[in-house]
Amino acid sequence: AQSVSQHNHHVILSEAASLELGCNYSYGGTVNLFWYVQYPGQHLQLLLKYFSGDPLVKGIKGFEAEFIKSKFSFNLRKPSVQWSDTAEYVCAVNGYGNNRLAFGKGNQVVVIP
Amino acid sequence: DTAVSQTPKYLVTQMGNDKSIKCEQNLGHDTMYWYKQDSKKFLKIMFSYNNKELIINETVPNRFSPKSPDKAHLNLHINSLELGDSAVYFCASSPRQGSYEQYFGPGTRLTVT
Repeated sequence: AQSVSQHNHHVILSEAASLELGCNYSYGGTVNLFWYVQYPGQHLQLLLKYFSGDPLVKGIKGFEAEFIKSKFSFNLRKPSVQWSDTAEYVCAVNGYGNNRLAFGKGNQVVVIP
Repeated sequence: DTAVSQTPKYLVTQMGNDKSIKCEQNLGHDTMYWYKQDSKKFLKIMFSYNNKELIINETVPNRFSPKSPDKAHLNLHINSLELGDSAVYFCASSPRQGSYEQYFGPGTRLTVT
């Protein structure tokens, strides 16, 4: 079975601080990995994805995520956050051979101006 | 234009009632999903349809019945509502079966009293 864990559900930080959100998954085979974001009042939307190739993936709004296969991790980073990055961030994994996504609980990130 | 829409956004009803939630996508996608966000905030897959054909049917009570009149619509009907059905239900779509980049609706918050 595939599962995803995210820690530090609530994160509060000031503008210009760096952000890193952890995502660990359990699945032994090939995986597709995703980070979704839900801004206040908006739909859950795709932030970035990893299927294969370069394990460092660039997404929208300056976000990036790094796939480390040996650690079963796909952590999300942004060097300098803005107030507009306040949102819920959800990690998801699809293990090869599974016909569905498994989601983490999400991280609620609040950026203080 | 809203890509994936759900109605209603909020639904408050009494135990024992029957209710439906509607979902429509205008993205031309083949595959649609229903998720339930549980009390621990995990998104759990309930059903998935590909071109009107049921492909995922998770272990949910048979009081929940999805219906897909065409590939742009996936409705969820719930009979004999129970308190434990209170949750946020999300509809999503993806371009085709096996594509796990999903587009989400805004969610329907169901409260059973």
